[in-house]
Amino acid sequence: DIQMTQSPSSLSASVGDKIIITCRASQSVGTYLHWYQQKPGQAPKLLIYTASTLRSGVPSRFSGSGSGTDFTLTISSLQPEDFATYYCQQTYSIPTYTFGQGTRLDIK
Amino acid sequence: EVQLVQSGAEVKKPGESLKISCRGSEYKFPSYWIGWVRQMPGKGLEWMGVIYAGDSDTRYSTSFQGQVTISVDKSINTAYLQWSSLKASDTAMYYCARSKSAYYGMDVWGQGTSVTVSS
Repeated sequence: DIQMTQSPSSLSASVGDKIIITCRASQSVGTYLHWYQQKPGQAPKLLIYTASTLRSGVPSRFSGSGSGTDFTLTISSLQPEDFATYYCQQTYSIPTYTFGQGTRLDIK
Repeated sequence: EVQLVQSGAEVKKPGESLKISCRGSEYKFPSYWIGWVRQMPGKGLEWMGVIYAGDSDTRYSTSFQGQVTISVDKSINTAYLQWSSLKASDTAMYYCARSKSAYYGMDVWGQGTSVTVSS
């Protein structure tokens, strides 16, 4: 199975900061890489699909990049509602569409 | 509004069987895959498997193969996740989510079904 490793595992930041979360795959996943946001007590929400396509309705301060094995999620100017846990997921290798372990983003 | 609505919370004893459901509405259910994701208390997301609602083509994660059964009844727009013999380690929140294809990720999620297995 393809392993997905996110870094950092946790991150403290302030409103207005720019943050970058990375996701590395154990082998190439092309651009079959997606990013999700999960808030406590809620289901995950899709933010970005195929590495860099912003889902409709998601604020433009979110962006994604990368291909192959290395990917990033960037939030350009953190807003209070962005403090959550973020997961990457590869859908290149069926049947196991692995998630990263998550990055918890807290308010500093 | 496109939705996936999951069945309610369950409390079961070890060894019991269980089938939870995920009903889709306001979209063409047979044209999408439905995936299942486990989240154990305080932990991350784990991919369990996926089924194509149109023809029941089912793919299981290597970690969950043989542990659960995924099925679908497209006549009532509902996918299922079932266990034949629950263990305490099955205690978790279970989410269903839909996908048009691997290209698009999982774009709509159910609200989750909490399963507690305790003697």
